[in-house]
Amino acid sequence: NAGVTQTPKFQVLKTGQSMTLQCAQDMNHEYMSWYRQDPGMGLRLIHYSVGAGITDQGEVPNGYNVSRSTTEDFPLRLLSAAPSQTSVYFCASSRTLQGPGTIYFGEGSWLTVV
Amino acid sequence: RKEVEQDPGPFNVPEGATVAFNCTYSNSASQSFFWYRQDCRKEPKLLMSVYSSGNEDGRFTAQLNRASQYISLLIRDSKLSDSATYLCVVKGDDKIIFGKGTRLHILP
Repeated sequence: NAGVTQTPKFQVLKTGQSMTLQCAQDMNHEYMSWYRQDPGMGLRLIHYSVGAGITDQGEVPNGYNVSRSTTEDFPLRLLSAAPSQTSVYFCASSRTLQGPGTIYFGEGSWLTVV
Repeated sequence: RKEVEQDPGPFNVPEGATVAFNCTYSNSASQSFFWYRQDCRKEPKLLMSVYSSGNEDGRFTAQLNRASQYISLLIRDSKLSDSATYLCVVKGDDKIIFGKGTRLHILP
Protein backbone atom coordinates (compact mmCIF):
# COMPACT_ATOMS: atom_id res chain seq x y z
CA ASN A 1 0.00 0.00 0.00
CA ALA A 2 2.45 2.64 -1.26
CA GLY A 3 0.28 5.81 -1.17
CA VAL A 4 2.44 8.83 -2.07
CA THR A 5 6.11 8.13 -2.73
CA GLN A 6 8.74 10.85 -2.88
CA THR A 7 12.35 10.53 -3.94
CA PRO A 8 15.01 11.36 -3.00
CA LYS A 9 14.55 11.69 0.74
CA PHE A 10 17.73 13.75 1.14
CA GLN A 11 19.70 15.77 -1.41
CA VAL A 12 22.52 18.29 -1.29
CA LEU A 13 22.91 20.56 -4.30
CA LYS A 14 25.36 23.23 -5.27
CA THR A 15 24.06 26.67 -6.18
CA GLY A 16 23.09 26.73 -9.84
CA GLN A 17 22.56 22.99 -10.21
CA SER A 18 19.25 21.63 -11.36
CA MET A 19 17.42 18.58 -10.13
CA THR A 20 14.05 16.88 -10.08
CA LEU A 21 12.11 15.72 -7.04
CA GLN A 22 9.96 12.76 -7.93
CA CYS A 23 6.44 12.16 -6.65
CA ALA A 24 4.22 9.23 -7.49
CA GLN A 25 0.86 8.10 -6.16
CA ASP A 26 -0.94 4.83 -6.76
CA MET A 27 -4.42 5.86 -5.66
CA ASN A 28 -5.62 7.26 -9.02
CA HIS A 29 -5.92 10.71 -7.45
CA GLU A 30 -6.74 13.63 -9.71
CA TYR A 31 -5.23 16.28 -7.46
CA MET A 32 -1.51 16.47 -6.75
CA SER A 33 0.54 19.27 -5.27
CA TRP A 34 3.94 20.31 -4.00
CA TYR A 35 4.57 22.25 -0.78
CA ARG A 36 7.67 23.55 0.85
CA GLN A 37 8.07 24.00 4.57
CA ASP A 38 10.78 26.12 6.12
CA PRO A 39 11.77 25.92 9.80
CA GLY A 40 9.02 27.21 12.07
CA MET A 41 6.78 27.96 9.10
CA GLY A 42 3.63 26.54 7.65
CA LEU A 43 3.23 24.71 4.36
CA ARG A 44 3.48 26.90 1.28
CA LEU A 45 1.99 25.72 -2.00
CA ILE A 46 4.42 25.71 -4.93
CA HIS A 47 2.45 24.13 -7.81
CA TYR A 48 -0.57 21.92 -8.14
CA SER A 49 -2.38 19.82 -10.71
CA VAL A 50 -6.01 18.77 -11.03
CA GLY A 51 -5.35 16.12 -13.65
CA ALA A 52 -2.98 14.88 -16.32
CA GLY A 53 -1.90 17.72 -18.58
CA ILE A 54 -3.14 20.43 -16.17
CA THR A 55 -0.89 22.36 -13.81
CA ASP A 56 -1.16 25.68 -12.04
CA GLN A 57 0.92 27.91 -9.84
CA GLY A 58 0.58 28.15 -6.12
CA GLU A 59 1.83 30.69 -3.63
CA VAL A 60 5.59 30.37 -4.28
CA PRO A 61 6.17 29.03 -7.83
CA ASN A 62 9.30 30.98 -8.81
CA GLY A 63 12.31 28.80 -9.47
CA TYR A 64 10.24 25.62 -9.88
CA ASN A 65 8.65 23.82 -12.82
CA VAL A 66 6.18 20.95 -12.85
CA SER A 67 4.53 18.72 -15.39
CA ARG A 68 1.79 16.11 -15.18
CA SER A 69 2.05 13.72 -18.08
CA THR A 70 0.36 10.86 -16.23
CA THR A 71 -2.14 10.65 -13.39
CA GLU A 72 0.42 8.92 -11.20
CA ASP A 73 3.46 11.19 -11.46
CA PHE A 74 4.04 14.83 -10.58
CA PRO A 75 7.76 15.74 -10.65
CA LEU A 76 9.05 19.06 -9.33
CA ARG A 77 12.04 20.55 -11.13
CA LEU A 78 14.42 23.06 -9.63
CA LEU A 79 15.83 24.96 -12.56
CA SER A 80 18.86 26.62 -10.97
CA ALA A 81 19.09 25.88 -7.27
CA ALA A 82 19.57 28.74 -4.83
CA PRO A 83 20.29 28.63 -1.07
CA SER A 84 16.82 30.11 -0.50
CA GLN A 85 15.39 26.83 -1.82
CA THR A 86 16.86 24.92 1.10
CA SER A 87 13.75 23.42 2.64
CA VAL A 88 11.77 20.26 3.12
CA TYR A 89 9.42 19.52 0.25
CA PHE A 90 6.18 17.58 0.56
CA CYS A 91 4.15 16.11 -2.25
CA ALA A 92 0.45 15.62 -1.56
CA SER A 93 -2.47 14.10 -3.40
CA SER A 94 -6.22 13.88 -3.03
CA ARG A 95 -8.97 12.13 -4.97
CA THR A 96 -10.28 15.50 -6.10
CA LEU A 97 -9.58 19.15 -5.37
CA GLN A 98 -13.11 19.60 -4.08
CA GLY A 99 -15.15 17.28 -1.96
CA PRO A 100 -14.42 15.25 1.13
CA GLY A 101 -11.42 13.23 -0.02
CA THR A 102 -8.51 13.04 2.38
CA ILE A 103 -5.18 14.62 1.46
CA TYR A 104 -2.26 12.20 1.57
CA PHE A 105 1.35 13.26 1.92
CA GLY A 106 4.65 11.77 0.95
CA GLU A 107 7.33 11.50 3.63
CA GLY A 108 9.14 14.60 2.44
CA SER A 109 12.34 15.42 0.59
CA TRP A 110 14.99 17.33 2.52
CA LEU A 111 16.93 19.61 0.18
CA THR A 112 20.03 21.60 1.09
CA VAL A 113 21.52 24.05 -1.40
CA VAL A 114 25.07 25.13 -0.64
CA ARG B 1 -8.49 38.44 6.35
CA LYS B 2 -6.32 35.37 5.78
CA GLU B 3 -8.00 32.42 4.11
CA VAL B 4 -7.38 30.13 7.07
CA GLU B 5 -6.22 31.42 10.43
CA GLN B 6 -5.02 29.58 13.49
CA ASP B 7 -3.50 30.69 16.77
CA PRO B 8 0.14 29.59 16.40
CA GLY B 9 0.52 28.90 20.12
CA PRO B 10 2.37 27.28 21.68
CA PHE B 11 -0.22 25.88 24.01
CA ASN B 12 1.55 24.42 27.06
CA VAL B 13 -0.89 22.10 28.76
CA PRO B 14 -0.42 19.67 31.67
CA GLU B 15 -0.97 16.02 30.97
CA GLY B 16 -4.57 15.01 31.51
CA ALA B 17 -5.99 18.44 30.80
CA THR B 18 -8.47 19.38 28.08
CA VAL B 19 -7.35 21.73 25.34
CA ALA B 20 -9.26 23.33 22.47
CA PHE B 21 -8.12 24.97 19.25
CA ASN B 22 -10.09 27.09 16.84
CA CYS B 23 -9.55 27.80 13.18
CA THR B 24 -11.36 30.43 11.13
CA TYR B 25 -11.78 30.44 7.36
CA SER B 26 -12.77 33.24 5.01
CA ASN B 27 -14.44 31.47 2.06
CA SER B 28 -18.05 30.76 2.91
CA ALA B 29 -18.23 28.37 -0.06
CA SER B 30 -15.65 26.03 1.51
CA GLN B 31 -16.86 22.47 1.35
CA SER B 32 -14.65 20.13 3.35
CA PHE B 33 -12.71 20.52 6.55
CA PHE B 34 -10.02 18.51 8.28
CA TRP B 35 -7.62 18.50 11.18
CA TYR B 36 -4.14 17.21 10.48
CA ARG B 37 -1.34 16.50 12.91
CA GLN B 38 2.30 17.19 12.11
CA ASP B 39 5.21 16.00 14.20
CA CYS B 40 8.50 17.88 13.98
CA ARG B 41 9.04 18.34 10.21
CA LYS B 42 7.47 15.05 9.32
CA GLU B 43 4.64 14.79 6.86
CA PRO B 44 1.21 15.92 8.06
CA LYS B 45 -1.16 13.08 8.81
CA LEU B 46 -4.93 13.11 8.94
CA LEU B 47 -6.28 13.35 12.46
CA MET B 48 -9.95 13.62 11.56
CA SER B 49 -12.39 15.03 9.07
CA VAL B 50 -14.85 17.60 10.37
CA TYR B 51 -18.53 17.08 9.67
CA SER B 52 -21.36 19.58 9.93
CA SER B 53 -22.97 17.72 12.79
CA GLY B 54 -19.71 17.48 14.71
CA ASN B 55 -17.84 14.24 15.20
CA GLU B 56 -15.84 12.45 17.83
CA ASP B 57 -12.97 9.99 17.65
CA GLY B 58 -11.92 8.77 21.07
CA ARG B 59 -10.51 11.73 22.98
CA PHE B 60 -10.84 14.06 20.00
CA THR B 61 -13.94 16.06 19.08
CA ALA B 62 -14.28 18.27 16.02
CA GLN B 63 -16.97 20.85 15.43
CA LEU B 64 -17.91 22.98 12.43
CA ASN B 65 -19.75 26.28 12.66
CA ARG B 66 -20.62 27.38 9.12
CA ALA B 67 -22.44 30.52 10.23
CA SER B 68 -19.38 31.86 12.02
CA GLN B 69 -16.94 30.13 9.66
CA TYR B 70 -14.81 28.32 12.15
CA ILE B 71 -13.89 24.80 13.06
CA SER B 72 -12.68 23.58 16.41
CA LEU B 73 -10.75 20.67 17.84
CA LEU B 74 -11.11 19.52 21.43
CA ILE B 75 -8.63 17.10 22.99
CA ARG B 76 -9.66 15.53 26.29
CA ASP B 77 -7.38 13.77 28.79
CA SER B 78 -4.32 14.93 26.89
CA LYS B 79 -1.32 12.61 26.62
CA LEU B 80 2.37 13.38 26.22
CA SER B 81 2.09 11.84 22.76
CA ASP B 82 -0.39 14.53 21.73
CA SER B 83 2.47 17.04 21.58
CA ALA B 84 2.57 18.12 17.94
CA THR B 85 1.44 20.85 15.57
CA TYR B 86 -2.22 20.72 14.57
CA LEU B 87 -3.11 21.98 11.11
CA CYS B 88 -6.53 23.14 10.06
CA VAL B 89 -7.30 22.30 6.41
CA VAL B 90 -10.09 23.74 4.28
CA LYS B 91 -11.10 22.57 0.83
CA GLY B 92 -12.87 25.15 -1.33
CA ASP B 93 -13.94 25.57 -4.91
CA ASP B 94 -10.50 25.75 -6.40
CA LYS B 95 -7.92 25.17 -3.71
CA ILE B 96 -6.90 23.37 -0.57
CA ILE B 97 -5.74 25.74 2.13
CA PHE B 98 -3.63 24.75 5.11
CA GLY B 99 -3.50 26.83 8.23
CA LYS B 100 -0.03 27.51 9.61
CA GLY B 101 -0.72 25.27 12.56
CA THR B 102 -1.08 25.45 16.33
CA ARG B 103 1.75 24.03 18.40
CA LEU B 104 0.77 21.95 21.40
CA HIS B 105 3.15 20.93 24.17
CA ILE B 106 1.84 18.50 26.77
CA LEU B 107 3.74 18.88 30.02
CA PRO B 108 4.37 15.90 32.33
